[in-house]
Amino acid sequence: GQNIDQPTEMTATEGAIVQINCTYQTSGFNGLFWYQQHAGEAPTFLSYNVLDGLEEKGRFSSFLSRSKGYSYLLLKELQMKDSASYLCAVRIFNAGNNRKLIWGLGTSLAVNP
Amino acid sequence: EAQVTQNPRYLITVTGKKLTVTCSQNMNHEYMSWYRQDPGLGLRQIYYSMNVEVTDKGDVPEGYKVSRKEKRNFPLILESPSPNQTSLYFCASSLSGAGGYEQYFGPGTRLTVT
Repeated sequence: GQNIDQPTEMTATEGAIVQINCTYQTSGFNGLFWYQQHAGEAPTFLSYNVLDGLEEKGRFSSFLSRSKGYSYLLLKELQMKDSASYLCAVRIFNAGNNRKLIWGLGTSLAVNP
Repeated sequence: EAQVTQNPRYLITVTGKKLTVTCSQNMNHEYMSWYRQDPGLGLRQIYYSMNVEVTDKGDVPEGYKVSRKEKRNFPLILESPSPNQTSLYFCASSLSGAGGYEQYFGPGTRLTVT
């Protein structure tokens, strides 16, 4: 089956760095996404990785290792507004060769002053 | 402003009373999708559409219908709602179902079926 694992909860301090891990066991890998979701709001796109390596975008970076089925999202210079849920999603090719997104359950990050 | 809109935002209804949740995007996106989000279960895809008149089932399509008669609209229909369809629903769109195109999500519809 297809499976994505993320830690359920994490806490960090304002100004610090936090790494949120995502491991996946899927077939037909076609890219990995990270989304941010504040409580009661819609998810918003953070990053996309399809090749191995690090993608940097401001305070946020995302890393992918396809051979290990592993990704992480790195948040630097944490701010209170970064308190949110972070969703890892893997796109695969399904049996009909259509693309499909598999979503993790999300990691709830609390940033403390 | 580029956006995905959903209506209604909140709805309380009774079992068996047909309802439609509308979704519209103004970005000329080909790909549209409906999700439900439940505590402990995360985001689950209900239906998606690769383009006009092209729809397919997601992971949890039972009890739902969709149509894509025009590019901008993708309504979700519950013919006979039941309490287990009480959930937070999101519509999303992206330029394509392929590539690194981000999905833009609507604000969500909180549905309660009593």
